[in-house]
Amino acid sequence: GESVGLHLPTLSVQEGDNSIINCAYSNSASDYFIWYKQESGKGPQFIIDIRSNMDKRQGQRVTVLLNKTVKHLSLQIAATQPGDSAVYFCAEDTSAGGTSYGKLTFGQGTILTVHP
Amino acid sequence: GAVVSQHPSWVICKSGTSVKIECRSLDFQATTMFWYRQFPKQSLMLMATSNEGSKATYEQGVEKDKFLINHASLTLSTLTVTSAHPEDSSFYICSARKSREITYEQYFGPGTRLTVT
Repeated sequence: GESVGLHLPTLSVQEGDNSIINCAYSNSASDYFIWYKQESGKGPQFIIDIRSNMDKRQGQRVTVLLNKTVKHLSLQIAATQPGDSAVYFCAEDTSAGGTSYGKLTFGQGTILTVHP
Repeated sequence: GAVVSQHPSWVICKSGTSVKIECRSLDFQATTMFWYRQFPKQSLMLMATSNEGSKATYEQGVEKDKFLINHASLTLSTLTVTSAHPEDSSFYICSARKSREITYEQYFGPGTRLTVT
């Protein structure tokens, strides 16, 4: 759904379905992107990352796609499980000069709810 | 592993008092640590970059005299919220990067919930 004010986009899926979470990033000079999972009351948990010289990277049950032309990032979760329910954030490393100083800019986040 | 801890995990304080939050890298050295703030149902916002042995670098709009950062060792950074007010109530999260590693990855702590009454 659309994000309005303080409301995060939401995605509801059935257990076993595939989930796709999208993210638009802002800085065309960013060269490192990360997806994080955040459960309620906890810090972000690393899921998968990708460098700008790649357009796809796969992990266990997760795939990240990067489209630099339109500055778009997506996270695909295969066979989504109830334990995947959380808020998912994309982040871009906006450090300047080609050497990462680790300054991350986070996207707005998407709430994923997986129904058994 | 790469574990980052924060203490306390939650704290309630009265308006006008100061609160110190600790961020520790438990099994690695971290030259650089970062402090984020997260309001309910919102994203993480970078507040400052903490470098061991030097002054912190604050993001635009973050008051450095209000949010004091000290990175006194390679495993510890502290954030002190001075003269806290209810609007400072938030979830504060730190992250750390490993020293002497050419890596982009940073490791996040579990966060500290601050409530100012």
